[in-house]
Amino acid sequence: KNQVEQSPQSLIILEGKNCTLQCNYTVSPFSNLRWYKQDTGRGPVSLTIMTFSENTKSNGRYTATLDADTKQSSLHITASQLSDSASYICVVSGSYGGSQGNLIFGKGTKLSVKP
Amino acid sequence: KAGVTQTPRYLIKTRGQQVTLSCSPISGHRSVSWYQQTPGQGLQFLFEYFSETQRNKGNFPGRFSGRQFSNSRSEMNVSTLELGDSALYLCASSLTGTGNSNQPQHFGDGTRLSIL
Repeated sequence: KNQVEQSPQSLIILEGKNCTLQCNYTVSPFSNLRWYKQDTGRGPVSLTIMTFSENTKSNGRYTATLDADTKQSSLHITASQLSDSASYICVVSGSYGGSQGNLIFGKGTKLSVKP
Repeated sequence: KAGVTQTPRYLIKTRGQQVTLSCSPISGHRSVSWYQQTPGQGLQFLFEYFSETQRNKGNFPGRFSGRQFSNSRSEMNVSTLELGDSALYLCASSLTGTGNSNQPQHFGDGTRLSIL
């Protein structure tokens, strides 16, 4: 079954610290992997999209890595800010079709940044 | 460029009623997807429309239906509402759809539906 697992479920860090969120997937075929940030009460916003040939991609203080061989991805946040408090969702894309659609969503990691 | 617009933002209904939610995609986007988001379940896929045709449909009962108009705007309808339908309903648009595409999906801020 196509699945995307994220860890940890939740995380609390102090402002200014770094953190890393994990995403493991068991989906095939694989087209690309996406990370989204979702603020409370808002829709998800795309952070990065990586194809299987890309190992790393950055967006400001956000850096995503991808290991297509082990089917693992991580999102590293540098020098965290209070505004980073949000849920981070990992999504794997491919032509699955059917009842799952073409995007397999993880359940997200809820990050809280404390002053 | 205007983003994805969903209306209404909040809605309160009672069991047994029906509801229609609206989504206006980004101009030029032909694909619209709908998702249900509940705490602990994450985003659950409802359906995807492209050029007025339903491409895929998730594992939701027939009470959940949708359609897309020629201007790419989309509506989602839920009939005979149940308490479990309380959720955030999100729509997302993209240029060419979600299959084998590197195009990002752009989400609206959702409609918060509460069933009493």
